[in-house]
Amino acid sequence: DQQVKQNSPSLSVQEGRISILNCDYTNSMFDYFLWYKKYPAEGPTFLISISSIKDKNEDGRFTVFLNKSAKHLSLHIVPSQPGDSAVYFCAASNYGQNFVFGPGTRLSVLP
Amino acid sequence: KAGVTQTPRYLIKTRGQQVTLSCSPISGHRSVSWYQQTPGQGLQFLFEYFSETQRNKGNFPGRFSGRQFSNSRSEMNVSTLELGDSALYLCASSLAGTVAGELFFGEGSRLTVL
Repeated sequence: DQQVKQNSPSLSVQEGRISILNCDYTNSMFDYFLWYKKYPAEGPTFLISISSIKDKNEDGRFTVFLNKSAKHLSLHIVPSQPGDSAVYFCAASNYGQNFVFGPGTRLSVLP
Repeated sequence: KAGVTQTPRYLIKTRGQQVTLSCSPISGHRSVSWYQQTPGQGLQFLFEYFSETQRNKGNFPGRFSGRQFSNSRSEMNVSTLELGDSALYLCASSLAGTVAGELFFGEGSRLTVL
C-alpha cells in the first residue's frame, strides 16, 4: 500500500517552459512534505518543503503547492532548465519522523 | 559542517556472502535512516535508528539488519546476499523530533551482487 504516490514515472518539458510534478498521499497524519532531487550516482538533495499549515511555498524557480483536502501536492519549476533534468522524489513525514518517499518522477528538460 | 558520509562507495559481492555498510551522520543528528534504491522502485525504507534504538522498520526480510552506535554512526548488514539485493543503499540523517525536519542523504553505497 503506497502512502505516497507519484503517478507519472517520467516527464519531458521544453527548456524555458513550466514543469509540473505531482504527488498524492493517503495518510492524513502527514504534516510536512518535501521534494528531493536526485542525479545518477548521487544521494538525493533537498529541494523545497511545505508544512501542512501552508498551501504554498516558493523558493526561486521552485514552488510547491499543497491541497490538503485533496491530499495532493505539486512542484512547479519555472522556467525549466536543462540542469533540472533529474529524478524528483516527493516525501512526507509526521513530525519529522517516518519519512515516506514516492517512487519518483524522471524529469527531462529538452534544450 | 561535514555531510553524511557513507563507506564504501562501491562494492561487489557474490551470492551467499554478507556485507556491512557504514554511515556517519551529520554532527548533532541523532536519527539515521537507511533506504534501498533500485531502478524503477524509488526509495524503499529499510529502517531508522534513533539514540541507538531501532525506531521504525520497513518491509524487508530479516537478512537486512542494522545498528547505531553511541556516537550516532550506523551500520547496516545484509546476510546471505541475493542477486536482487544489488542496489544503491542510501543513508540519511536528521535532527528528528521537529516538525520542519528534513533528511540529509549521503552519496550512497552501490552494491553489486554477482
